[in-house]
Amino acid sequence: DTGVSQNPRHKITKRGQNVTFRCDPISEHNRLYWYRQTLGQGPEFLTYFQNEAQLEKSRLLSDRFSAERPKGSFSTLEIQRTEQGDSAMYLCASSLQGADTEAFFGQGTRLTVV
Amino acid sequence: AQTVTQSQPEMSVQEAETVTLSCTYDTSENNYYLFWYKQPPSRQMILVIRQEAYKQQNATENRFSVNFQKAAKSFSLKISDSQLGDTAMYFCAFMKQGNTPLVFGKGTRLSVIA
Repeated sequence: DTGVSQNPRHKITKRGQNVTFRCDPISEHNRLYWYRQTLGQGPEFLTYFQNEAQLEKSRLLSDRFSAERPKGSFSTLEIQRTEQGDSAMYLCASSLQGADTEAFFGQGTRLTVV
Repeated sequence: AQTVTQSQPEMSVQEAETVTLSCTYDTSENNYYLFWYKQPPSRQMILVIRQEAYKQQNATENRFSVNFQKAAKSFSLKISDSQLGDTAMYFCAFMKQGNTPLVFGKGTRLSVIA
């Protein structure tokens, strides 16, 4: 499978717990993006990487959120002390920097905080 | 900051008919890219069509075409010969040069009716 892969697909957690999501981009893509999508809305940018360097973080990304891409391959997004407002679909996308090509998306991780 | 506006939350079309989805955007950039992405129910987002702002010719991909009006900052999507498989959320998205993160509209839910 050469597409963007996200795990898990679904996560239900209790308020206050920590959760971590993983994204495996298309192998040759050096840019990796995280977005959040709530019901009835378009995806909103959270953060993105070029290789292992985190280039930008949105103001949406509170200090409870942290993202890493340690070796420039897969990435993880961790949410600490989850709140009900964190319930959303978390989308990962990847692209090849410099080619101004489109981003390819994974199927997302749906988080439900109860 | 860039913004993307999709003013039609929902639309429906009869199978085999033609439908146009609207999108307007705001930017001070001169060189940028515009995209239409399709998100079928419970499936990942896929690219439908892209337009480079420096190209005057409207992009076409099989049954999908755009009407790009740069001065008016308008980027509509026309779907011809609509098929049941076209049923999905459609998102208009903006990208500055350099594979920067996408800015999405809120989406239009399209239903194709048999």
